[in-house]
Amino acid sequence: QKEVEQNSGPLSVPEGAIASLNCTYSDRGSQSFFWYRQYSGKSPELIMSIYSNGDKEDGRFTAQLNKASQYVSLLIRDSQPSDSATYLCAVIEHAGGTSYGKLTFGQGTILTVHP
Amino acid sequence: KAGVTQTPRYLIKTRGQQVTLSCSPISGHRSVSWYQQTPGQGLQFLFEYFSETQRNKGNFPGRFSGRQFSNSRSEMNVSTLELGDSALYLCASSLVRDRGREQYFGPGTRLTVT
Repeated sequence: QKEVEQNSGPLSVPEGAIASLNCTYSDRGSQSFFWYRQYSGKSPELIMSIYSNGDKEDGRFTAQLNKASQYVSLLIRDSQPSDSATYLCAVIEHAGGTSYGKLTFGQGTILTVHP
Repeated sequence: KAGVTQTPRYLIKTRGQQVTLSCSPISGHRSVSWYQQTPGQGLQFLFEYFSETQRNKGNFPGRFSGRQFSNSRSEMNVSTLELGDSALYLCASSLVRDRGREQYFGPGTRLTVT
């Protein structure tokens, strides 16, 4: 079983719509969750971090965390063609202090926003 | 503030050779982690360095090694290259080594082994 799983893609949404990206994780002790965006041929770019249950909003992006369900999501409102990229969910699995520098990534979801 | 820099950006090597990749973290960042990205395996953790000490290591063979210098710059080395080592190698830096600290990635080094 994969440690971090993302909803299978690719995901295609029309411009202006809400894109919803989902991620589940297996380590119940995980405390830190991140969303990265990666354009083709580029490196991952951090767009959101979330540590507590609930919602965290930053501009058009909202991250949602539910630790009881081991679920984290990213909503992109008013999607733009420039949002077309691969979105990576990443988790830090806290294991007695030895894992703080280790991000475990999902396989990524390809998002396409069409005009 | 300058971002994470990695050199070289592209590299072509032959099987059996060795390679050294370099990473300079964001100024003030003391933790550096390395990752390998391939189409088949995705992003996988290689190792993390903090205060010149390796703090964590991923499931890679001993051919993969690294080090960190007193100025927090880091290098990784791959010896006896194999075709399967062709990948994008990414380093990421974070401010301090505590729980949940955000990691920022450099542009990566694209390694091709022929």
